[in-house]
Amino acid sequence: DTAVSQTPKYLVTQMGNDKSIKCEQNLGHDTMYWYKQDSKKFLKIMFSYNNKELIINETVPNRFSPKSPDKAHLNLHINSLELGDSAVYFCASSQDASGYEQYFGPGTRLTVT
Amino acid sequence: DQQVKQNSPSLSVQEGRISILNCDYTNSMFDYFLWYKKYPAEGPTFLISISSIKDKNEDGRFTVFLNKSAKHLSLHIVPSQPGDSAVYFCAASAHANQFYFGTGTSLTVIP
Repeated sequence: DTAVSQTPKYLVTQMGNDKSIKCEQNLGHDTMYWYKQDSKKFLKIMFSYNNKELIINETVPNRFSPKSPDKAHLNLHINSLELGDSAVYFCASSQDASGYEQYFGPGTRLTVT
Repeated sequence: DQQVKQNSPSLSVQEGRISILNCDYTNSMFDYFLWYKKYPAEGPTFLISISSIKDKNEDGRFTVFLNKSAKHLSLHIVPSQPGDSAVYFCAASAHANQFYFGTGTSLTVIP
């Protein structure tokens, strides 16, 4: 029974397209996150939501828009995809906004051609 | 600006010996540190943590040491086992919720 799941696992698309990545957690956690791991393996936080409210919004292009329909879901929509968006995107959740002991999803490998 | 650095991209250790993974940070305001372990095609999983009020935390075969003056922490795994082969990330936070990750060290434990 997967704790944090992401779909799709792989996503290949062309520049200029719009795509979404979905994330769901069944842990009953209050806080969810999106991270980006680039080609240098640098794992960097993008967004954090606590009880559906945005609490962290790092310097991320406006083309990236997170949406949290409920506490268990945090989706990431990306408009006008660029080559530099190619990366692995990880969703995570934690019990509360302290962020200690985050549970990660398996990642979504996005390739923009 | 990378505030958390893991300068060794890889490490190989014989089974049964000690593995020492290192992590350096630049922000003196960091007060909580975590280690995550990641297998291929999976997300990172939490391993062990330490707050800045301690200099050591132990959990079974895993021990994390924190040297605040040197802005350095290390993860010791003893004895190392083949199943420990994975990428290890350290992460640090200056306040709750926002953690900064290093680039990881790939550990290979040789049977």
